[in-house]
Order: sequence, then structure tokens, then C-alpha cells
Amino acid sequence: AQSVTQLGSHVSVSEGALVLLRCNYSSSVPPYLFWYVQYPNQGLQLLLKYTSAATLVKGINGFEAEFKKSETSFHLTKPSAHMSDAAEYFCAVPPWGSYQLTFGKGTKLSVIP
Amino acid sequence: EAQVTQNPRYLITVTGKKLTVTCSQNMNHEYMSWYRQDPGLGLRQIYYSMNVEVTDKGDVPEGYKVSRKEKRNFPLILESPSPNQTSLYFCASSPRPSGVGTGELFFGEGSRLTVL
Repeated sequence: AQSVTQLGSHVSVSEGALVLLRCNYSSSVPPYLFWYVQYPNQGLQLLLKYTSAATLVKGINGFEAEFKKSETSFHLTKPSAHMSDAAEYFCAVPPWGSYQLTFGKGTKLSVIP
Repeated sequence: EAQVTQNPRYLITVTGKKLTVTCSQNMNHEYMSWYRQDPGLGLRQIYYSMNVEVTDKGDVPEGYKVSRKEKRNFPLILESPSPNQTSLYFCASSPRPSGVGTGELFFGEGSRLTVL
């Protein structure tokens, strides 16, 4: 079954530094991959999605992710962290033939002023 | 404003006291779902509904019930809550079941439940 693994449950970066959050998917190439963001005391919202149309995907708030088949990865990056980026980030994949999303365990991003 | 509304947002209760968490969406979505979020485990699906009167189990349905009598509402019922059901619960909806897999999944703000 399709799954995703997020490396690092907690990542801290300084304001202005590069943000790199890691996600690896299992087995076969999925048709879609997602990154969701959860700001404190809020629900999840879609940050960006991979649809096979392009390997480099741009999302909201300056985030982007690159799909790399050779590495089975879909890492999330942002060149310069902002305080408002502090949140929890989830990678997710829709399993074949299933009406649900399988989420990674999440990575909490802290931004240090 | 298009939204998924959950109530209550916060609740502390005791073991065995039945409770219902309501979920309502105003987007005429066919698909609705409940997830629970626990530290280190991410989000896990409890139940989902593909349309009125059509519900099915997710990955962790034990101890929960749902019903879908109207398109807009999808309440989550805990008949006899236990401490292991202490969690953060999210309701989500999508225009259609296939929308879940294409990124069209909209979440409520969450309901934090504590069972003593």
C-alpha cells in the first residue's frame, strides 16, 4: 500500500534560512502527492500538489517541492524562512482505489528570530 | 464563506458519557470524512461518507459511529468515550470522492477532545 515517510518530527531554522522538509513515498509512482500545512489552532490546508505534469511544483507562501523519481522523494523547500511559516507540515498520498489520504506523521517547523 | 464547521472546538468529558461532535459544510460537497490527529501518528481516518446514507469505515473506526442523513452534516458519535479517544479530531469534505485524491479536501478547524 502507498505510504509516505517524513524524516524529522521537528525542524528548527533561523529566520531567513533555507527550509527543507523531507518526504519519501513508497513503492510505485503515485499519481498525486501533496503537502498540507497546519497553522496553530487551525485545520489543514493544501500547500501544493504534484500531478505528474511537472516535477517542480510551486505552492502558496513561496514554498515549492520537487518530485524525484530516482530518490522516491518529494521534499518541500523555501529559500528564506519567515516567522509566519511556523506550523506543522504533512506529506500525503492517495492510496490506489481508496477514498482517503494517507498522511505522514508530520514535521513541526519552528522559526527562530 | 465556504467552510467546514465543527462543534465543539474544545471538550473535556468523562469516561462513558456519550458525546457528539457535529460537522457541517456549506459547499454542497458529496464526500465527508473524519480524521483523528495524535502526536507522532499524523492523521488517521475514522469514517467517511461518499454521499447521503453511504458511510464506510476508515483505518481506526473502533469506538465511533457516524451518520449521514443530510448532505451537509456528518456528526461523529462517541457512544462510550474512553481515555484513548483523547485526541484532536478533524472533519473534512470534498466535492466528490475522487476529489480526495486530487487535492480537493477541505478541513474544519478541529475539535480537541479530552476524556478523563
